[in-house]
Amino acid sequence: DAGVIQSPRHEVTEMGQEVTLRCKPISGHNSLFWYRQTMMRGLELLIYFNNNVPIDDSGMPEDRFSAKMPNASFSTLKIQPSEPRDSAVYFCASSARTEMNTEAFFGQGTRLTVV
Amino acid sequence: AQSVAQPEDQVNVAEGNPLTVKCTYSVSGNPYLFWYVQYPNRGLQFLLKYITGDNLVKGSYGFEAEFNKSQTSFHLKKPSALVSDSALYFCAVRGKGSTLGRLYFGRGTQLTVWP
Repeated sequence: DAGVIQSPRHEVTEMGQEVTLRCKPISGHNSLFWYRQTMMRGLELLIYFNNNVPIDDSGMPEDRFSAKMPNASFSTLKIQPSEPRDSAVYFCASSARTEMNTEAFFGQGTRLTVV
Repeated sequence: AQSVAQPEDQVNVAEGNPLTVKCTYSVSGNPYLFWYVQYPNRGLQFLLKYITGDNLVKGSYGFEAEFNKSQTSFHLKKPSALVSDSALYFCAVRGKGSTLGRLYFGRGTQLTVWP
């Protein structure tokens, strides 16, 4: 298995532009997570899905952030409009939720820079 | 609410010496605990987990962790550190009930192994 695949690996955009981050979870996993990592805040959970349904989006910073999971093999995290304070590394992770003892597997991350 | 704490932001150890990275947890009932490692510019990689059974759990790269219920701790250990072990280490606990699907991460501990 190729693992969790994220694209792009790096994104540089201007303030005010729309940014879309993409994630392909591991086949067969039914939980998907979006995390943000910064030096100041560490690793923050933004949102997670079970069986393509958003379960907890309390970590989404504000209305500029939205996430979708149209099917079991694809998810997007969109920021519109982007701001410099959104600069961070965004990770997608997936796990098999049906077992409590299963670990989450992380993608390589997308490093977002908003200038 | 579930949580983990990593009391040390940094741990420094000489190569060949034993290392310990500390983690304490807070959760009702039996915990499901995890350790992850993050190398520079990479995603988090799963190291090991405690679900039930032996208090000493063995994982990848020669790491092990000791579960101590009375001290609510799950410290990561390695008998002989390598320079290549230098990385950021995260402890995590799985949620329960309505938060079953998610992992709660600590702030991370930067391990530096000196040659």
